[in-house]
Amino acid sequence: SAVISQKPSRDICQRGTSLTIQCQVDSQVTMMFWYRQQPGQSLTLIATANQGSEATYESGFVIDKFPISRPNLTFSTLTVSNMSPEDSSIYLCSVGVNLNNEQFFGPGTRLTVL
Amino acid sequence: AQKVTQAQTEISVVEKEDVTLDCVYETRDTTYYLFWYKQPPSGELVFLIRRNSFDEQNEISGRYSWNFQKSTSSFNFTITASQVVDSAVYFCALNGIKAAGNKLTFGGGTRVLVKP
Repeated sequence: SAVISQKPSRDICQRGTSLTIQCQVDSQVTMMFWYRQQPGQSLTLIATANQGSEATYESGFVIDKFPISRPNLTFSTLTVSNMSPEDSSIYLCSVGVNLNNEQFFGPGTRLTVL
Repeated sequence: AQKVTQAQTEISVVEKEDVTLDCVYETRDTTYYLFWYKQPPSGELVFLIRRNSFDEQNEISGRYSWNFQKSTSSFNFTITASQVVDSAVYFCALNGIKAAGNKLTFGGGTRVLVKP
């Protein structure tokens, strides 16, 4: 399995500001993903973070709103830009372990936008 | 397209009762993986099980058991002799290899409340 950490664990932000969330893995992984979980809802994939190239975004999510970086095989960041209260969610990163096709999730970042 | 349906939004039981969570999926892939995750109030997603489409053997792990029925596209999860610590939201998820490339599609989740 992979050990995943996220920073910050939670934050309260003002409308119109941006927050960058970090995801660190204890081993090199090929695939990293970012998910959003709105209050009381299920998880929705935002994008696949690709190392060395632009992230692949799912329908309904755009790079301007959720820029993603993946500088190496153990680290990624997700920025939530120009936040509004509708962005209040838990943001989770996950990693795919190819051979076993298992996916493990970080502890999540609980974001509240006022 | 992939789809996962968890028809039960919330289940409430008394401690020591058994509880079964339903999961029905749709995929065009012939090779796929099914997962169950637990999300306690802390918010972290805890991996419980992964099952590939070629393995229909039922699995038991302690008080947890899973029933995979490919004929009905279902992957149900049973907690035997439930405990208060089992209170959480449980998610079923699907990964169709060709269609989704390791991306998970989640069901809506079932909230389980175990009362003492």
